[in-house]
Amino acid sequence: GQQVMQIPQYQHVQEGEDFTTYCNSSTTLSNIQWYKQRPGGHPVFLIQLVKSGEVKKQKRLTFQFGEAKKNSSLHITATQTTDVGTYFCAGATNKLIFGTGTLLAVQP
Amino acid sequence: GAVVSQHPSRVICKSGTSVKIECRSLDFQATTMFWYRQFPKQSLMLMATSNEGSKATYEQGVEKDKFLINHASLTLSTLTVTSAHPEDSSFYICSATRTSRGDEQFFGPGTRLTVL
Repeated sequence: GQQVMQIPQYQHVQEGEDFTTYCNSSTTLSNIQWYKQRPGGHPVFLIQLVKSGEVKKQKRLTFQFGEAKKNSSLHITATQTTDVGTYFCAGATNKLIFGTGTLLAVQP
Repeated sequence: GAVVSQHPSRVICKSGTSVKIECRSLDFQATTMFWYRQFPKQSLMLMATSNEGSKATYEQGVEKDKFLINHASLTLSTLTVTSAHPEDSSFYICSATRTSRGDEQFFGPGTRLTVL
């Protein structure tokens, strides 16, 4: 079946360092969504990418959708302690399949 | 806008009992609702897709007779875990969309089920 993998599983950075998580789908996607889940919380929608090669920015966050619409990345510039949490990509075909997630820890 | 609530937030029950979890879209009509299960430090696993007035579509490996889903209205879906066992202990999260196009999902706060 369809699989969505993310790397790394875990990343520990010093506050101010950059962070990137990569997402790869086994199948071509109609769109890709990114969610953030704080410890003990529920996933919160961040963004949706639809077009091949699309790049979107939200303040310090940059999201990319690959040309083949099978991979994506999330890059955070100059991390802050408020960025702590697990970042999930979710690939959409006829349903949403969540990636394995990347847990980000930020040390002050 | 786009708030989804879940009730209860936490439930502890004895093995063999049934537990009902409610998912409501508070300020919009949800075309589709989804039920996920999340084990500690793992990703969200889709259990079923629920459309108002029709039978839920279950993912492979999810027992439909054990996890009963009822989507009675455009704002309410319920998940009943029947004859719960300790291995059913998990974080159950619902989500809802306003369209059927695979757009943004709005998640409820989740229900933590512990089966003793």
